[in-house]
Amino acid sequence: DTGVSQNPRHKITKRGQNVTFRCDPISEHNRLYWYRQTLGQGPEFLTYFQNEAQLEKSRLLSDRFSAERPKGSFSTLEIQRTEQGDSAMYLCASSVGTGEANYGYTFGSGTRLTVV
Amino acid sequence: RKEVEQDPGPFNVPEGATVAFNCTYSNSASQSFFWYRQDCRKEPKLLMSVYSSGNEDGRFTAQLNRASQYISLLIRDSKLSDSATYLCVVNRGGSNYKLTFGKGTLLTVNP
Repeated sequence: DTGVSQNPRHKITKRGQNVTFRCDPISEHNRLYWYRQTLGQGPEFLTYFQNEAQLEKSRLLSDRFSAERPKGSFSTLEIQRTEQGDSAMYLCASSVGTGEANYGYTFGSGTRLTVV
Repeated sequence: RKEVEQDPGPFNVPEGATVAFNCTYSNSASQSFFWYRQDCRKEPKLLMSVYSSGNEDGRFTAQLNRASQYISLLIRDSKLSDSATYLCVVNRGGSNYKLTFGKGTLLTVNP
């Protein structure tokens, strides 16, 4: 499979627990994005990496959220002390670094988080 | 004002109908424009880019009016398989190519 891969597909956790999601982008893509989508809304930008550098973070990314992309390959998104409001679909996307103007991103299937 | 606003929907149309989606964006510096399609509980997938001159892909036609900051998508001869949420997407430009999504408009095509 040469697409964007996200794991796990689903995660149910108790409030207050920490969770970590993983994204494996398309191998030749140097840009990686995390988005969050809640029911009835479009995806909202969280953060962006170019290679291993995290170049932009949304104000939505509170200090309980941290994202990494060691070595510029896969990325992880960690949420500490989860709250019910964190329940959402977390989407990862990657792009090649050129041509986005024409081709947009490729999204992974997402990780659906439910905080109970 | 939201950066990208779409028709709230939902739209329910019979098979074979023509349906139009409208979208406005607030940032006049926006550079790239797209329509994405999202099936229920799935990830968004690129449907088509939107060019200044307008562009067509089979039954789908996209238009852009930069002066009015308006984007449209027309679906002709709608099929049952067109049922999905259609997301209007804008790239404001800059080096990060961050995309900003509208809320989406749900389309249901009925037999």
